[in-house]
Amino acid sequence: DGGITQSPKYLFRKEGQNVTLSCEQNLNHDAMYWYRQDPGQGLRLIYYSQIVNDFQKGDIAEGYSVSREKKESFPLTVTSAQKNPTAFYLCASMNGRGKNEQFFGPGTRLTVL
Amino acid sequence: EDQVTQSPEALRLQEGESSSLNCSYTVSGLRGLFWYRQDPGKGPEFLFTLYSAGEEKEKERLKATLTKKESFLHITAPKPEDSATYLCAVQPPGGGATNKLIFGTGTLLAVQP
Repeated sequence: DGGITQSPKYLFRKEGQNVTLSCEQNLNHDAMYWYRQDPGQGLRLIYYSQIVNDFQKGDIAEGYSVSREKKESFPLTVTSAQKNPTAFYLCASMNGRGKNEQFFGPGTRLTVL
Repeated sequence: EDQVTQSPEALRLQEGESSSLNCSYTVSGLRGLFWYRQDPGKGPEFLFTLYSAGEEKEKERLKATLTKKESFLHITAPKPEDSATYLCAVQPPGGGATNKLIFGTGTLLAVQP
C-alpha cells in the first residue's frame, strides 16, 4: 500500500532537548510538507521541499530544521530554540504534476515535559 | 491578507438530519479549494478538490460546491460515522511551485444516533 508514515506517534521531550520526527512516503511524490496543528488554529506550514536537497521556510520555521536527502524522506528536527513545541505535527506530500492535492500522514504528537 | 473562515465552529446533528458546512475565503484568483476530514488524533483525509465557481463534487453522503467567495460541504442524511472535523483549505494564486495551502480552523461535526 502506498502512503505516508510518521514516527513516533507520541514523543516526549525534556526542556533543552532536540528531537527529530520522521516522515517517509512511498507515493513517489516530489513535494513534501511539515505542518503544525494547535487547538483552535488552522494548520500552519513549517517547512516544505519541492525537490531533493532543496527546502524552504514556511510561515513558522523558527526553532525547526529539516533535511531532504532522499525523495522518500523529510525529517523534521524540533530544536531547543522552539519556545512552545507542544503540538500535533503533520507531514504531507503532493504529486505536483497537475494534481495539487496534499496527502497527510497520521501525525506525531509532541509533548514537552 | 488571504484568509479562510469556516462556520459553524461546531455542529450537532441527529442521524438523518441534513445540513451544510461553510468555508468562505478572501483569496482572489483561487487556484484550488480542498476539503479534508480529520478524525481525533489522526491526520486529515483528503475528500475533494474544487477549481472553479459552479463546480460540484460528490462522495457518498457528501457534496462539495464552490462559488466565487465560498464553498459548502453538504451532508445528506448523515450517520454517526460521519462525525469528524472537516477542514477547508485554499491554494492562492502566485504561489509558484510552493503550492502552499491556507487552512481554516475546521468545523467539528457530531452526528447523534
